[in-house]
Amino acid sequence: DTEVTQTPKHLVMGMTNKKSLKCEQHMGHRAMYWYKQKAKKPPELMFVYSYEKLSINESVPSRFSPECPNSSLLNLHLHALQPEDSALYLCASSQKGGWEGVHYGYTFGSGTRLTVV
Amino acid sequence: DQQVKQNSPSLSVQEGRISILNCDYTNSMFDYFLWYKKYPAEGPTFLISISSIKDKNEDGRFTVFLNKSAKHLSLHIVPSQPGDSAVYFCAARIKGGADGLTFGKGTHLIIQP
Repeated sequence: DTEVTQTPKHLVMGMTNKKSLKCEQHMGHRAMYWYKQKAKKPPELMFVYSYEKLSINESVPSRFSPECPNSSLLNLHLHALQPEDSALYLCASSQKGGWEGVHYGYTFGSGTRLTVV
Repeated sequence: DQQVKQNSPSLSVQEGRISILNCDYTNSMFDYFLWYKKYPAEGPTFLISISSIKDKNEDGRFTVFLNKSAKHLSLHIVPSQPGDSAVYFCAARIKGGADGLTFGKGTHLIIQP
């Protein structure tokens, strides 16, 4: 298995809803990432988990809450989102975290297309 | 402030010819550069990378060139094939900095028959 799997592929939620995005990989990678990509913009880093510990939170609003239950799973819990949070949310993984991670490349999932209404 | 810049939103190249995608950066602390390819409705796929201690890296039809003095890198695809039509992102990592990548806005490469 050489993939990062993200579910759901599409999600429409109201501003008062609570939902979760899920990301899974079975490559034994020890670093996992959440990126946000708005239309015609580059992916922007949100969170980094390295060896199941949150190592980076790029000043993301608290309405986004990451969770890493184990080394294969990464969740992004969503609550009270705004319409401007509508975007493609990409999960990625790397064989190693921290300094070494980039040398192994990053594997991205297909993303979850989120629409907040 | 965009630290990784891809100034060409799109590029059209004839099949069989060379495609050259350009990327400029402003942060001299970047020490590793990567190119990703993205099809619609899919996540980015890693293509090729280069360390700042090198000026060239080649992998099959893909070659990346790095000019540190000009803070410029380019991706050459030769020969270009129809399946190469996609959005190409340049990305960089800061030496000794946090994990994760900084991406350019991407260039949409269109290969024409």
